[in-house]
Amino acid sequence: DAKTTQPNSMESNEEEPVHLPCNHSTISGTDYIHWYRQLPSQGPEYVIHGLTSNVNNRMASLAIAEDRKSSTLILHRATLRDAAVYYCIRPSGNTPLVFGKGTRLSVIA
Amino acid sequence: SAVISQKPSRDICQRGTSLTIQCQVDSQVTMMFWYRQQPGQSLTLIATANQGSEATYESGFVIDKFPISRPNLTFSTLTVSNMSPEDSSIYLCSVRTGGDYGDQPQHFGDGTRLSIL
Repeated sequence: DAKTTQPNSMESNEEEPVHLPCNHSTISGTDYIHWYRQLPSQGPEYVIHGLTSNVNNRMASLAIAEDRKSSTLILHRATLRDAAVYYCIRPSGNTPLVFGKGTRLSVIA
Repeated sequence: SAVISQKPSRDICQRGTSLTIQCQVDSQVTMMFWYRQQPGQSLTLIATANQGSEATYESGFVIDKFPISRPNLTFSTLTVSNMSPEDSSIYLCSVRTGGDYGDQPQHFGDGTRLSIL
């Protein structure tokens, strides 16, 4: 049970922003929200994580809803290299990550 | 972030044989995990590799089929025993450092792509 819900697939044009949604309506007050992505023929790659406040790093931004029941991963300018499966994960305590099916992002040139 | 090296990166094996996959990390890590990714599927956790004690297996995975060793804080092995075509998958090593686990990313190797004939 990955405890999050994501769309199966999304499509974006190159150079445009992408907003990848994630629903985690049963999240508890101490659960972080993590995002990973898996490029073809590679292992998953850490993207970003947060608890309550919005977070930014060199790869992406994470916008967390005020009630924390949903979040959005924002890629500011999609490139062809961003085509991947994106996983939104809600780790529990010190247990390892449990992966759902994620969102397959296609980027069109 | 930790750099993870897996060996071999890929292999083709005969059914009934066994293969040991190695995972080497460039720094000491608190937790090491093994995942399986079957063709076209998401990742499934096989087990947590515990230093100095038996691994903790997830439901559906057993020690006789997937023996795991972790002799120190930077190295682990996963053996896939008595292989059948259903074992054809990508096997991935993953690590996490200490601290507040929810606030720590997990890092992954690029996996071992295993094909069983």
